Parts: sequence; C-alpha cells; structure tokens
Amino acid sequence: NAGVMQNPRHLVRRRGQEARLRCSPMKGHSHVYWYRQLPEEGLKFMVYLQKENIIDESGMPKERFSAEFPKEGPSILRIQQVVRGDSAAYFCASSPSTGGSSGNTIYFGEGSWLTVV
Amino acid sequence: QKEVEQNSGPLSVPEGAIASLNCTYSDRVSQSFFWYRQYSGKSPELIMSIYSNGDKEDGRFTAQLNKASQYVSLLIRDSQPSDSATYLCALDTGTASKLTFGTGTRLQVTL
Repeated sequence: NAGVMQNPRHLVRRRGQEARLRCSPMKGHSHVYWYRQLPEEGLKFMVYLQKENIIDESGMPKERFSAEFPKEGPSILRIQQVVRGDSAAYFCASSPSTGGSSGNTIYFGEGSWLTVV
Repeated sequence: QKEVEQNSGPLSVPEGAIASLNCTYSDRVSQSFFWYRQYSGKSPELIMSIYSNGDKEDGRFTAQLNKASQYVSLLIRDSQPSDSATYLCALDTGTASKLTFGTGTRLQVTL
C-alpha cells in the first residue's frame, strides 16, 4: 500500500520560472492538503482540496500560487514566476475523509524541496 | 500570541531518561491534538493523537491533554538516540481539517 507520493523530490528553478509539484494521495484517500515549511519554521497550511474542488485555500499566497486536484491524476501545486522566498519544502498530505477532529489521520508525503536560484 | 507555542530547544536528555515536550495553544475551540516527529530533511510522521483530557499511552510515548489550561505534552520514556528529532505539536481547529503547527522542539538524546 503505497503512501502519499510526491514528485519531484528536489527541484531547482531560476527566478521567474514556474514550479510544478505533484502529489498522488494514498489509495482510497480523496482529501489532499498542501503545506509549506520554510527554513527554521513550522509547517504552514496552504490549501485543502477534494477531487475537482478547492475546499479551503486560506493559506495560499494571493498571487502566483495555484492548486488543483483533477478528477484523474495527481494534485498539482503550481508556483508561477518563482522568487527566492519560495524556496521551501512543500509537503502534501492526504486523508480518507475529513481529517483531524473526525479521527481520520492525515498522512504526509516525503515532500518536495524547491530551491530558487 | 502564536496559535501554537513550543520551546524550540534543543532539549537534551541522556539515553534512557524521560523526555518531556510541551505545547500551549491559544484557540479554545481546538478539539484534536497531534504530535508529529520530523527527522532532518524528512516528512512529519504522526506519533500520537489525543482528543480528550487526560493521558493517552502508546508504547514509550504518553500524550497528555489539559484543555482548561490549554496545553498538551508528550512524554518519551526510555529515550533512545533514534528519538533525536524535531517534535511538532499540531491542532485541528475544526475548520476544513487544516492543522496548525508549532515550530517544533528539537530533541537530542545523548549517549
């Protein structure tokens, strides 16, 4: 039973380029979350998606960042025109249904480390 | 005031001792609390979850929750060098299942 799969694991982009991070949830999980971890900081919630729906994007920066979870295929976090401050670890997580308070555990992927040079 | 506060450490304990990690939170409506372990360069791994006041034990780990005082703690008995990691406290405020994390406490278990 494969866990949450993220790729690429490491990505280097020049300033102004686009970064695309992909996440395949665990089998049977329909809820996907993206978190960002800046150096020496805690994990920050970015967005919560279900298939074809963005449920909560309150943690997403207003510009350059977007996320989707199409009916088929992985969830994608897209960062346009990257800047050095975007350098961070981006973690995807999934749960079978509503996580947290309903008792469903949220499982994290191994992360994608973005470096902007 | 941060929503979730943890002492950044490092907390240094000798092998075999009890490590005590603490976390305070400001949101009284929080219902679910979690402890994650994160090794350097790796993803967070769930250690314990706790939903009601009191203690919850799982092997060498005990989570303690006191909602009136708004703190949650993690005790690690018989600490091992492999326990050396950053421990993240997280809570679910009940809004769309997003977790709010503390910045973590770095634990060092010394030989």
